[in-house]
Amino acid sequence: RKEVEQDPGPFNVPEGATVAFNCTYSNSASQSFFWYRQDCRKEPKLLMSVYSSGNEDGRFTAQLNRASQYISLLIRDSKLSDSATYLCVVRGGYQKVTFGTGTKLQVIP
Amino acid sequence: ETGVTQSPTHLIKTRGQQVTLRCSSQSGHNTVSWYQQALGQGPQFIFQYYREEENGRGNFPPRFSGLQFPNYSSELNVNALELDDSALYLCASSLDSAQVINTEAFFGQGTRLTVV
Repeated sequence: RKEVEQDPGPFNVPEGATVAFNCTYSNSASQSFFWYRQDCRKEPKLLMSVYSSGNEDGRFTAQLNRASQYISLLIRDSKLSDSATYLCVVRGGYQKVTFGTGTKLQVIP
Repeated sequence: ETGVTQSPTHLIKTRGQQVTLRCSSQSGHNTVSWYQQALGQGPQFIFQYYREEENGRGNFPPRFSGLQFPNYSSELNVNALELDDSALYLCASSLDSAQVINTEAFFGQGTRLTVV
């Protein structure tokens, strides 16, 4: 089992749609969680950290479920500019950071 | 712009050669992490340096080594290059301490290495 697993997609959704991504992790001792966004041939950029209580930033909502060991990202009212690959990131002990392979989102006009 | 710069941006090397990649961290950041990203894959953690010491390592062989300098810039060295080492190498800097775990890492634009 991979340490961090994501559905690679692609998710093709129309503008204005709501789309959700999940990511599962195997190490129950993982300490912190993030969603990064990566545009084609660009470096990853932090989208948001993920907290146990859930957190929201505009159209984006992230949640963490420690019991089931997954994190989620919900994007409401999708925009064309949301088209990118979304990377789930888990940080564990000894500063080890593990990225998922990413979920590709394509928002269609 | 994140303030993290990497050099060179592109590089072509021959199998068996050695390569050194460089990263200047964002001002005020004391931690640098290196990642390897193959085409179509997520970044794979190579190692992390905190205050000039390696303090975390992924599943990479010893021919991948690094350094961090007093100004917190860093180098990634790869010896005995193999064809599978062809990838985008990303450097990320952050401000980390034992107390603060949820700190953002800022990535450089990467060095694209091709081994032929």
